[in-house]
Amino acid sequence: GAVVSQHPSWVICKSGTSVKIECRSLDFQATTMFWYRQFPKQSLMLMATSNEGSKATYEQGVEKDKFLINHASLTLSTLTVTSAHPEDSSFYICSAIASGLASTDTQYFGPGTRLTVL
Amino acid sequence: QKEVEQNSGPLSVPEGAIASLNCTYSDRGSQSFFWYRQYSGKSPELIMFIYSNGDKEDGRFTAQLNKASQYVSLLIRDSQPSDSATYLCAVNDGTASKLTFGTGTRLQVTL
Repeated sequence: GAVVSQHPSWVICKSGTSVKIECRSLDFQATTMFWYRQFPKQSLMLMATSNEGSKATYEQGVEKDKFLINHASLTLSTLTVTSAHPEDSSFYICSAIASGLASTDTQYFGPGTRLTVL
Repeated sequence: QKEVEQNSGPLSVPEGAIASLNCTYSDRGSQSFFWYRQYSGKSPELIMFIYSNGDKEDGRFTAQLNKASQYVSLLIRDSQPSDSATYLCAVNDGTASKLTFGTGTRLQVTL
């Protein structure tokens, strides 16, 4: 149980284009999802908290107009990197909290999406 | 600012030995504690969580929590080469479900 998927697993795009990443909870409902990014040899950096049916809460320093988050249903959150630039190249990982399980604040991670902007 | 500290390692242990990974946290109000394993190029995988002082065992893994000392550890018994990975300690203050991660300890299990 508590499986989270992400799509795509990797993407290469040209500078200036937008990229959408999907995060799905496959066998549970997730009222809250999180988006992280991770640069090589660094730890996870939380970008934003996504709550179903409401606006995402962004961490300090994360541009909300650049990283658009939509949590349209209890099983799907999307992250759109708008006008991507090479410095946005990173490993983007989502996580979800499984409502109703014994541990109500345990985050389960998706497999990640590796974004390379040329 | 809430902080979670881990020794970056690498921690090298021989196969079959016990690996001990340590983590300290700054927020005394922290409520729940998590250990994740992350292989190179992959996303974190939950190993176990602990809420109460004391030990919690799950197979070859034991998490230990001491809230008075603001210290949480992970013991891996009978270490295997497949345990070689980075181990992330994460702490939740119980208010917003957000986790604060340590930078991780890289474990190397040698043959």
